[in-house]
Amino acid sequence: KAGVTQTPRYLIKTRGQQVTLSCSPISGHRSVSWYQQTPGQGLQFLFEYFSETQRNKGNFPGRFSGRQFSNSRSEMNVSTLELGDSALYLCASSLNRGDREGDTQYFGPGTRLTVL
Amino acid sequence: KNQVEQSPQSLIILEGKNCTLQCNYTVSPFSNLRWYKQDTGRGPVSLTIMTFSENTKSNGRYTATLDADTKQSSLHITASQLSDSASYICVVSMRGSTLGRLYFGRGTQLTVWP
Repeated sequence: KAGVTQTPRYLIKTRGQQVTLSCSPISGHRSVSWYQQTPGQGLQFLFEYFSETQRNKGNFPGRFSGRQFSNSRSEMNVSTLELGDSALYLCASSLNRGDREGDTQYFGPGTRLTVL
Repeated sequence: KNQVEQSPQSLIILEGKNCTLQCNYTVSPFSNLRWYKQDTGRGPVSLTIMTFSENTKSNGRYTATLDADTKQSSLHITASQLSDSASYICVVSMRGSTLGRLYFGRGTQLTVWP
């Protein structure tokens, strides 16, 4: 069974640009969550999508948005990029909602975004 | 304030030795606690998940313990190998919550030397 895949793996952008990251969950998984990971802040929750609906959102500005398609694939968009957006963006999928005991989240390899 | 604190921040041990990583949390009400291993440049991989009623869970050479009364967890690694070099992240879930209530520690960076 294929794992969670994320594209692209690496991305370099300049301030003010926008970026779209893609995540394909494990087949059959309906929940996709996005996280930002930086050395200073660690892992921080961005949002979760379940059955094409955003179910939860972390404390990030509106420049960060996402969506989920009917095949459970998800995209995350960041507009008006800032230097502080440089981070590893991780996507995780789970069968159902990801916080229950039986629902392990499986992480993708991440997209390394560098904003110059 | 709901927080997850991990110690030490970094640790260096020799191959074959044992080590113990600590996680203290103030998240309440508690649902479950997970330990993840994250290799450099990769996404985290789940090692163990423990609920309130469980106080020990093993996964190969990894053994996690949980004391829900003192709100402390530890991850013990036995007979360390070079491949154990990674960041180990403790994650606590709040009971009755949705996914947004996952609280992450900042991780312990473990380096195993030959």
